[in-house]
Amino acid sequence: GAGVSQSPSNKVTEKGKDVELRCDPISGHTALYWYRQRLGQGLEFLIYFQGNSAPDKSGLPSDRFSAERTGESVSTLTIQRTQQEDSAVYLCASSLVRSGELFFGEGSRLTVL
Amino acid sequence: KQEVTQIPAALSVPEGENLVLNCSFTDSAIYNLQWFRQDPGKGLTSLLLIQSSQREQTSGRLNASLDKSSGRSTLYIAASQPGDSATYLCAVQGGGADGLTFGKGTHLIIQP
Repeated sequence: GAGVSQSPSNKVTEKGKDVELRCDPISGHTALYWYRQRLGQGLEFLIYFQGNSAPDKSGLPSDRFSAERTGESVSTLTIQRTQQEDSAVYLCASSLVRSGELFFGEGSRLTVL
Repeated sequence: KQEVTQIPAALSVPEGENLVLNCSFTDSAIYNLQWFRQDPGKGLTSLLLIQSSQREQTSGRLNASLDKSSGRSTLYIAASQPGDSATYLCAVQGGGADGLTFGKGTHLIIQP
């Protein structure tokens, strides 16, 4: 596709359940980022992938959060044992190179009841 | 740790006015600075990217400047239109291994 694609666009889950969020970056983009945006708040950096290098996980808020990326393709963000404070929009972005222009997906809105 | 501040937090102006949004950052060791707009319930749309070696970038009615040594950037919007209403976010990419650091944004309303 032409842009960054994220799914699902909306997810409602019960506290304690696991969720998986998916990101398809723009083809050929080596860098991929995940951000979290809570209601009325700014963007929080979560994790960054660059090619086949080890990801920078410094922004992950707890060990319930993990992410994977296969080569330079799809990435999944997994949240285990979800809590109400995990409710937010999770945004994925990709760029051609690390210092390049970032392109964002529409986000996955997660609501934990 | 890099901190990005955007002033004002909110701005409402009549259609047709020229306006300036401000962004400041604490660590001048950056790769680039990027301006985005975000419409309600949507993702972010890239507006302008300024590399650390550049002073400004222009796209249509938008002009962004960068003064790296003073840690400041401005986004100038000429002849504002109601369709410009959105939240404008400034983000810097530093020399570390993390992603962009974002400001909290300026919520802009252009009154018809």
